[in-house]
Amino acid sequence: QVQLVESGGGVVQPGRSLRLSCVASGFIFSSYDMHWVRQAPGKGLEWVAVISNDGSNKYYSDSVKGRFTISRDNSKNTLHLQMNNLRAEDTAVYFCAKDDPGWEVLSDWGQGTLVTVSS
Amino acid sequence: EIVLTQSPATLSLSPGERATLSCRASQTISNYLAWYQQKPGQAPRLLIYATSNRATGIPGRFSGSGSGTDFTLTISSLEPEDFAVYYCQQRTSWPSGRTFGQGTKVEIK
Repeated sequence: QVQLVESGGGVVQPGRSLRLSCVASGFIFSSYDMHWVRQAPGKGLEWVAVISNDGSNKYYSDSVKGRFTISRDNSKNTLHLQMNNLRAEDTAVYFCAKDDPGWEVLSDWGQGTLVTVSS
Repeated sequence: EIVLTQSPATLSLSPGERATLSCRASQTISNYLAWYQQKPGQAPRLLIYATSNRATGIPGRFSGSGSGTDFTLTISSLEPEDFAVYYCQQRTSWPSGRTFGQGTKVEIK
């Protein structure tokens, strides 16, 4: 079955950087677009970024554009999110999610990793 | 930019009652409207895709409908495990992004 396991979260000071990872298994990773979605404490879901299956196309929400970079290593079935110049408002649980290309949905999700930006 | 507005913010119902959740788009959207369920401390789970299709393993008491700008998730008879937050989702104006509604919490009355 599909499994997505995020890691790399933690407490970081404003202005610093953090790199999240998501290891995928149970499906052909290189065949699917992958997303990052975040959820601030007590708030709703916010889509963050998507990367195409081969890594050639990347799109970001306006709130993270220019600060975050999504990437993937298909040889290691791993998705990354490099987060630079972090702000307090980036505090959230970050989920990676597998795209379903036929129906434009996020069919499978990891359990999430918490990022806390605080001095 | 498409904005999805869900209503009500909170729905207080008893087990066995019918729940009707609304998702309204700021402009006409495709029928690729999805619904997710999220319980506290858990990741979201896909319930409905393409407006009315249940995802694998989703019970028949969940149904979706709608078109244009107005979409509905109906839970025909609430079970104790259905009390959760529900989100609708569509793709953004450009192909690969996604956008979510702000969520409806279904709580026990």
